[in-house]
Amino acid sequence: DAKTTQPNSMESNEEEPVHLPCNHSTISGTDYIHWYRQLPSQGPEYVIHGLTSNVNNRMASLAIAEDRKSSTLILHRATLRDAAVYYCIPRGSNYKLTFGKGTLLTVNP
Amino acid sequence: EAGVAQSPRYKIIEKRQSVAFWCNPISGHATLYWYQQILGQGPKLLIQFQNNGVVDDSQLPKDRFSAERLKGVDSTLKIQPAKLEDSAVYLCASSFSGGVSTDTQYFGPGTRLTVL
Repeated sequence: DAKTTQPNSMESNEEEPVHLPCNHSTISGTDYIHWYRQLPSQGPEYVIHGLTSNVNNRMASLAIAEDRKSSTLILHRATLRDAAVYYCIPRGSNYKLTFGKGTLLTVNP
Repeated sequence: EAGVAQSPRYKIIEKRQSVAFWCNPISGHATLYWYQQILGQGPKLLIQFQNNGVVDDSQLPKDRFSAERLKGVDSTLKIQPAKLEDSAVYLCASSFSGGVSTDTQYFGPGTRLTVL
């Protein structure tokens, strides 16, 4: 499994954009980059995934570097409900989700 | 659509006792997962079922943990006997197929186990 590096924590203000970085320099060419988040006292939930090109959905955008060694999850307007631990997970040929410690996002009102 | 259901939500037991957790996945999902999440860490996969067969149980402590998925629907995870270090949240997840890199896993709310 590819190793990932994420900041332990980040802070944002409500209604401001948030950029959550992830380094995955050992990712293989066929690994998809998945992002999940875990709200307090809940199980993880899927946010977004991508392979090479940038991706958008109703929750977030995913920007993937051209060399695929890093990616950034973008929340366009953070709300208090976005406060969570965000996990960046390269998903390889074994299809497993291998969770690291993720980034704890705090959103200030 | 109904999500992944788990029960109980909380359990407190003494060490050396046994405990069982139950999971009902999303209807139609072939793959079911059990994860263990220790405080401050990300979830760790314990076992993966495809229908009622085990795909991966490499990280399941088989001397004390067991799991089954009879009839390929709901599942039970058991710990016998429990140790202090088993205190954690036990998460169940399901996915439609499990065999593709884009398959989404849907998680239940988890069972918080405290072993005293």
